[in-house]
Amino acid sequence: AQKVTQAQTEISVVEKEDVTLDCVYETRDTTYYLFWYKQPPSGELVFLIRRNSFDEQNEISGRYSWNFQKSTSSFNFTITASQVVDSAVYFCALSTSGTYKYIFGTGTRLKVLA
Amino acid sequence: SQTIHQWPATLVQPVGSPLSLECTVEGTSNPNLYWYRQAAGRGLQLLFYSVGIGQISSEVPQNLSASRPQDRQFILSSKKLLLSDSGFYLCAWSVGGIYNEQFFGPGTRLTVL
Repeated sequence: AQKVTQAQTEISVVEKEDVTLDCVYETRDTTYYLFWYKQPPSGELVFLIRRNSFDEQNEISGRYSWNFQKSTSSFNFTITASQVVDSAVYFCALSTSGTYKYIFGTGTRLKVLA
Repeated sequence: SQTIHQWPATLVQPVGSPLSLECTVEGTSNPNLYWYRQAAGRGLQLLFYSVGIGQISSEVPQNLSASRPQDRQFILSSKKLLLSDSGFYLCAWSVGGIYNEQFFGPGTRLTVL
């Protein structure tokens, strides 16, 4: 069975601190894709990144970076020098071959305090 | 460019009343379409998805139904709303296989009183 676990329900940091959001996934498929989405207070989910199971290279985009480790089935998301505008709920998601469904984690609410 | 529309943005309905939420996508053909519900402070629950006109897959048996009368139109309905139907309803689309990301609409906030 496929599953995504985001154990951190809520995280609070002070502005300019670094913060890592954890994502652990479960699947028996060898071909799968992982995603991160941001849900700001307005409610609309915004796509951040996609990673396939054959590409374990870490990725950096500005203050955002992602660490994909198949050995631990994790796809963690780090925000460097956090800002108040980073306050949102962040979702990790998994999709696998043979289905059109995306499995979402329960989300992590990040609060960045000024 | 692709755009996804949802309406209404906000809805307050009495228990037992019918429901119709509409989602349309522009700028793409043959999208996969999805309806999710998010209860207050909770994660996303997949309700329905469709990979083509008239094709609906239901994930959660309940008093909701979905239809796809046109390629880029996805409708969520109920004949009689329950209090537990309150939540934030999100429509999403993707193209191709599961390797592509989903794009979400602005959502409809439904309150059932």
